Amino acid sequence: NAGVTQTPKFQVLKTGQSMTLQCAQDMNHEYMSWYRQDPGMGLRLIHYSVGAGITDQGEVPNGYNVSRSTTEDFPLRLLSAAPSQTSVYFCASSQRQGSYEQYFGPGTRLTVT
Amino acid sequence: ILNVEQSPQSLHVQEGDSTNFTCSFPSSNFYALHWYRWETAKSPEALFVMTLNGDEKKKGRISATLNTKEGYSYLYIKGSQPEDSATYLCAFLWRGSTLGRLYFGRGTQLTVWP
Repeated sequence: NAGVTQTPKFQVLKTGQSMTLQCAQDMNHEYMSWYRQDPGMGLRLIHYSVGAGITDQGEVPNGYNVSRSTTEDFPLRLLSAAPSQTSVYFCASSQRQGSYEQYFGPGTRLTVT
Repeated sequence: ILNVEQSPQSLHVQEGDSTNFTCSFPSSNFYALHWYRWETAKSPEALFVMTLNGDEKKKGRISATLNTKEGYSYLYIKGSQPEDSATYLCAFLWRGSTLGRLYFGRGTQLTVWP
């Protein structure tokens, strides 16, 4: 199993550009989520999904869109990048929510200039 | 937004010292408490998932206890080693969350000096 994979590893965008961060898992996990990590802020939840077709907003959803058309994939779309979105983004998955541990991807470091 | 507090924010200890830190969470409608270890430039990795009041979990020199009635969990590291240096995160799952969202604390950053 590859586990949770994320692409790209690094990305530089100009303000106003859009892009999609890819996340995939091969463990047949129902639950997937996106977090961002900023200095002094820990992990903040952006969006999450409990299965194909079901998503919900987390703590910091503004400026991001998600969809979950398959169990395996959970892409995160930046609609119009802003410098405030410079961060490290982690995707995570778990078998179900609750008493199941989350598996994290390697992260995507995004810089918006 | 539910509040999950971790203390201390950072901790510096000498190799061989034992240490512990705290995660505080709302005591009502508890469902689960997770602990993760996060090394610099890596991804968080799960240590424990705890669901029952009085739970004690152990993995090598690291152990954790859970008190759901008063809303806290302790993580203990016995005989700290430099490779234990990491940020330790806890995350709380509230029974009232319809879609099972995890609430993370900001972490305790542990540095173990040789």
